Amino acid sequence: GAVVSQHPSWVICKSGTSVKIECRSLDFQATTMFWYRQFPKQSLMLMATSNEGSKATYEQGVEKDKFLINHASLTLSTLTVTSAHPEDSSFYICSPLGVGMVSNQPQHFGDGTRLSIL
Amino acid sequence: AQTVTQSQPEMSVQEAETVTLSCTYDTSESDYYLFWYKQPPSRQMILVIRQEAYKQQNATENRFSVNFQKAAKSFSLKISDSQLGDAAMYFCAFSYSGAGSYQLTFGKGTKLSVIP
Repeated sequence: GAVVSQHPSWVICKSGTSVKIECRSLDFQATTMFWYRQFPKQSLMLMATSNEGSKATYEQGVEKDKFLINHASLTLSTLTVTSAHPEDSSFYICSPLGVGMVSNQPQHFGDGTRLSIL
Repeated sequence: AQTVTQSQPEMSVQEAETVTLSCTYDTSESDYYLFWYKQPPSRQMILVIRQEAYKQQNATENRFSVNFQKAAKSFSLKISDSQLGDAAMYFCAFSYSGAGSYQLTFGKGTKLSVIP
């Protein structure tokens, strides 16, 4: 069964709206959460890394005020796209890394969220 | 910085035949991990195979095997007896423990088509 739950799977909203994406680890505690973005026909690009209870670390070129990440618990992390615009339309994927999984590497991914901004 | 290069944007293979997808990487690290992920049209990321850099033996998973050449920094994926369900995007990925993080760096991907 799925070990990562990511919601919503698809969201369409108007420009200027804020959208929250949730990522839950279902049967393990995620000390670290990776958030990736994938544009059409392109690869996954790391946006940010968050550790439970700490501020997220953003990759170069990713606006931290645009993409708010909260990792308040070991089973839930959220990505909020604030004041979304059409250029934010993309596929967003979370990948939690659990306690004791360090040696096994982050293998788990959410099913992704397709965000379309009109 | 680590980089992963997949030089084949698209590949095709006849059903039941064998195909090899190429991947090269660049790193100054000695302890790292390499992966092949499959992304079907559903866009779900599926781990195909994993290789630890310290292991000389090439990893295998049923019809999937890798040719890991550490000195050449090459990590190719061989798919034997190709099936229609193998059609997907394949991403080569690199990870290491630098700064306590195991974030993945992905190549640009290879789109594999399987011809019936």
